[in-house]
Amino acid sequence: QLQLQESGPGLVKPSETLSLTCTVSGGSISSSSYYWGWIRQPPGKGLEWIGSIYYSGSTYYNPSLKSRVTISVDTSKNQFSLKLSSVTAADTAVYYCARHRDYAYGWFDPWGQGTLVTVSS
Amino acid sequence: EIVMTQSPATLSVSPGERATLSCRASQSVSSNLAWYQQKPGQAPRLLIYGASTRATGIPARFSGSGSGTEFTLTISSLQSEDFAVYYCQQYNNWPRTFGGGTKVEIK
Repeated sequence: QLQLQESGPGLVKPSETLSLTCTVSGGSISSSSYYWGWIRQPPGKGLEWIGSIYYSGSTYYNPSLKSRVTISVDTSKNQFSLKLSSVTAADTAVYYCARHRDYAYGWFDPWGQGTLVTVSS
Repeated sequence: EIVMTQSPATLSVSPGERATLSCRASQSVSSNLAWYQQKPGQAPRLLIYGASTRATGIPARFSGSGSGTEFTLTISSLQSEDFAVYYCQQYNNWPRTFGGGTKVEIK
């Protein structure tokens, strides 16, 4: 059974870079046809897709965050990572990682449990 | 970007009653639409994909319909564990986008 687990600092200072890692277990991150994505949810609000990466390294980013986001993959560790630069309080959210495919199979499943990141000095 | 609009924002329903949730896309997404359920403190859980196919382990009381720009999630007889927030998501285009959610609460 595939499982995803987010990890990283729970507190980040304004203007600094948020860094999170998602560790995949129960399956290989190098499986063809799968993308690995990041989604966030500010407290009390809805879901926002941040970006996704294919195991080969191809990436798609939300245009609203593209200038600040970098997603990378480390197949040797079965992990993928998110970096969000120049953070502000508006970036405070629960960050989820999830798997999906492309074209007509693009739903997110499964999801990690999520990790709360607070941006504050 | 495709904007997904869900209505109503909040739906008050008694246990055992039917709940009907709507999701509208700003342009056609064909049948490339998923529904998720989220309970407090938990990650979203996939309910429906392909607009109408139930995910593994999802009870038959959950059903999805629609195509193009208009979609519906129906819960035929609400159980206590169904009170939650429901989101739709399109995967026809990048960027992937979610609706704002419908909260189903106990009446």
